[in-house]
Amino acid sequence: KQEVTQIPAALSVPEGENLVLNCSFTDSAIYNLQWFRQDPGKGLTSLLLIQSSQREQTSGRLNASLDKSSGRSTLYIAASQPGDSATYLCAVGAAAGNKLTFGGGTRVLVKP
Amino acid sequence: GAVVSQHPSRVICKSGTSVKIECRSLDFQATTMFWYRQFPKQSLMLMATSNEGSKATYEQGVEKDKFLINHASLTLSTLTVTSAHPEDSSFYICSTHQRYQETQYFGPGTRLLVL
Repeated sequence: KQEVTQIPAALSVPEGENLVLNCSFTDSAIYNLQWFRQDPGKGLTSLLLIQSSQREQTSGRLNASLDKSSGRSTLYIAASQPGDSATYLCAVGAAAGNKLTFGGGTRVLVKP
Repeated sequence: GAVVSQHPSRVICKSGTSVKIECRSLDFQATTMFWYRQFPKQSLMLMATSNEGSKATYEQGVEKDKFLINHASLTLSTLTVTSAHPEDSSFYICSTHQRYQETQYFGPGTRLLVL
């Protein structure tokens, strides 16, 4: 059974610092890995999707890497802003269009 | 704009009553929808996979007779919490994806409070 872990559970940084969020998974036979953002009491917004054959994806200030063999993914957020404060969730997909297994999330607070 | 909508966004009900939550795909036909439950400060736990025109597939430990799922059209799936109890109070979120695409789109969620 796939298990996804995110460390740290919470993170507080001053504005302008780079953020590094970690995600690990136990079964390397994944189809893809996605990073989501969730604001309090809201649904999820997809940030980046990495195919199992890819090593990284970038979108603006966000960069996500994937090391499937070691079961790890890292989300980097450059030059953090207060608006980046949210919970970030990673999720692995076992097959195309299949259900996702989520990590516990990292709650991020960027202080002005 | 929103790709997936949910209704209602918030509901309060008495213990023993049933509550229906709707999930609509606004931009594309969704043959598959997923229902998740999220307790405070916890992650999302998949409850069931809703398949258009067929029975839903439930995850281990989820009672199918308590959480009734209907996916009668390509744009609508409903989750009915039957005989709700206070322990069913949670945040329920649905998601779907476009055929042959992998990015999943999530609804805004429904917060259920059972008194």
